Amino acid sequence: QVTLKESGPGILQPSQTLSLTCTFSGFSLSTYGMGVGWIRQPSGKGLEWLANIWWDDDKYYNPSLKNRLTISKDTSNNQAFLKITNVDTADTATYYCARIKVYYGLGFDYWGQGVMVTVSS
Amino acid sequence: DIQMTQSPSFLSASVGDRVTINCKASQNINKYLNWYQQKLGEAPKRLIYNTNNLQTGIPSRFSGSGSGTDYTLTISSLQPEDFATYFCLQHNSFPLTFGSGTKLEIK
Repeated sequence: QVTLKESGPGILQPSQTLSLTCTFSGFSLSTYGMGVGWIRQPSGKGLEWLANIWWDDDKYYNPSLKNRLTISKDTSNNQAFLKITNVDTADTATYYCARIKVYYGLGFDYWGQGVMVTVSS
Repeated sequence: DIQMTQSPSFLSASVGDRVTINCKASQNINKYLNWYQQKLGEAPKRLIYNTNNLQTGIPSRFSGSGSGTDYTLTISSLQPEDFATYFCLQHNSFPLTFGSGTKLEIK
């Protein structure tokens, strides 16, 4: 059974760095073809893809935020991470992590429930 | 970037109705189109992958079709548990992009 769960700070101030953790089970990020992605959704708005990381440590970022994003993984502990630097109120959103199995393409099959992050002074 | 235009944004329907939701891509996405269902407070659930492949465990009343730039999700006979928000995802190329969502409500 594949599960993913996001965790984060809840609230942070403008200009700080947002650190998110995705803890997953039911698969390994050291297995060929596996990946984890991050997606966010501001309240009442659409979904925005942020970044993906693959089993071979290859990474893809959304160009609109690329300079602010860093994705990484800890294979031993079944975790993936996302850092967003210099946050502002526009980064307030629910953040999701999701699994990718490249056999099915680049899309996500299993998602976490999401974690709400508020940026406020 | 590939823009995904999803319609309608809201849909009011009754149990037993047949409904369709559409996603139009700004360029050919080669059938790399997934459909998801999202209920409040729950993780999004993949229904259909690569245009017309039913995710394991998803009822057969859900189906997908399309090619090129135009894709459709069909629910053949709405059940009470189907009232939710639906969105599409193109994964033909980076950056991955989503449709804006369709909220399906009970009439």
